[in-house]
Amino acid sequence: ETVLTQSPDLQSVTPKEKVTITCRASQNIGYSLHWYQQKPDQSPKLLIKYASQSISGVPSRFSGSGSGTDFTLTINSLEAEDAATYYCHQSNSLPLTFGGGTKVEIK
Amino acid sequence: EVQLLESGGGLVQPGGSLRLSCAASGFTFSSFAMSWVRQAPGKGLEWVSGFSSSGISTYYADSVKGRFTVSRDSSKNTLYLQMNSLRVDDTAVYYCAKDTIGAWPPDAFDIWGQGTMVTVSS
Repeated sequence: ETVLTQSPDLQSVTPKEKVTITCRASQNIGYSLHWYQQKPDQSPKLLIKYASQSISGVPSRFSGSGSGTDFTLTINSLEAEDAATYYCHQSNSLPLTFGGGTKVEIK
Repeated sequence: EVQLLESGGGLVQPGGSLRLSCAASGFTFSSFAMSWVRQAPGKGLEWVSGFSSSGISTYYADSVKGRFTVSRDSSKNTLYLQMNSLRVDDTAVYYCAKDTIGAWPPDAFDIWGQGTMVTVSS
């Protein structure tokens, strides 16, 4: 099983700050890494697929990078509406797995 | 509008059974792989089961293998999850999720339902 380890668990940020969330895979997963945003009492929403591919309708301040075992989600100029928990997810091999989540809160 | 709507959740005793449904609309249901993903209260996301677009292959997490069965009725555009021998640690919100492509294994999940709560308790 591919274990995904996210860091940090919690990030407290002021608006307009840059946010960086990392996801490390326990084995090489190529580019098969996707990012989701989940707000309280809502379903997850796809932000980035295949490490860096943008998704239609997602604000351009969200971007992703990385390959192999190390990946990053960046939120440029954080907005209040970005307060949420962010999850990475790998589809390279079964079982599909998710990272433990990173909660981003607004100071 | 592309939409997934889960139903069938509820309170069940340990050892009991429940069948979840996921009604799809707004896309060609049989062309995409589908999965069930669950989230225990206050916890993260856990993939539970998947169903290939071909309808031939099904896949399960070890935690539910032998107890859960995923199926699909393309005539009704509905995905099902039959859950037997339920345990307290199966308590979670269960989401169905649509893959972005039709192949298996899936890649990203671009559409999620609103979720249905399953509570296993005596």
